[in-house]
Amino acid sequence: ETGVTQTPRHLVMGMTNKKSLKCEQHLGHNAMYWYKQSAKKPLELMFVYNFKEQTENNSVPSRFSPECPNSSHLFLHLHTLQPEDSALYLCASSPGVGGAEDTQYFGPGTRLTVL
Amino acid sequence: DAKTTQPNSMESNEEEPVHLPCNHSTISGTDYIHWYRQLPSQGPEYVIHGLTSNVNNRMASLAIAEDRKSSTLILHRATLRDAAVYYCSTWGNTGTASKLTFGTGTRLQVTL
Repeated sequence: ETGVTQTPRHLVMGMTNKKSLKCEQHLGHNAMYWYKQSAKKPLELMFVYNFKEQTENNSVPSRFSPECPNSSHLFLHLHTLQPEDSALYLCASSPGVGGAEDTQYFGPGTRLTVL
Repeated sequence: DAKTTQPNSMESNEEEPVHLPCNHSTISGTDYIHWYRQLPSQGPEYVIHGLTSNVNNRMASLAIAEDRKSSTLILHRATLRDAAVYYCSTWGNTGTASKLTFGTGTRLQVTL
């Protein structure tokens, strides 16, 4: 596997379910990100991790819980979601710690549908 | 966070140059301008970035206005594979965090 991978690619869940999204980067990067992409809206940054430490939580509701066990893996744990949380969830990584010239590499995303 | 505005969509003929505009009138002096594009069913991919001077790479050129309130992404010869949503974004420091702020993007259609 190369680049940034995300599993699953598609997920349908009920509002009472608990599920997790997984992201893995094979690029040796130090920073990882979660973004939410909803229809007709700009990409929204959710969380940033640098060297496994969370450095940004963009006022995300607590029903989204990130976990970064090491610099290569990032999870997003989901519980009691709402239908409006349906979106494409994108993971990204970057070599540095999110500096001005740091290029972000995105995974293909997980398409989440909450029923 | 500096807000960016872009046209919703643009069309181009194959083999012709394409100029994709972006306004970022609230950009601060230290914010970088980044462009990403998103092909169908894929995550965004990096295209180019710059601060003040015009920039060129193998994918595109970035022309930045002298006052930095706008920029233009230039694809020199559009191909069908360039059909995508192009996002203009700014990288800025909010004081407590640094992040990319994306616009709503321009959907580029390329026709034969």
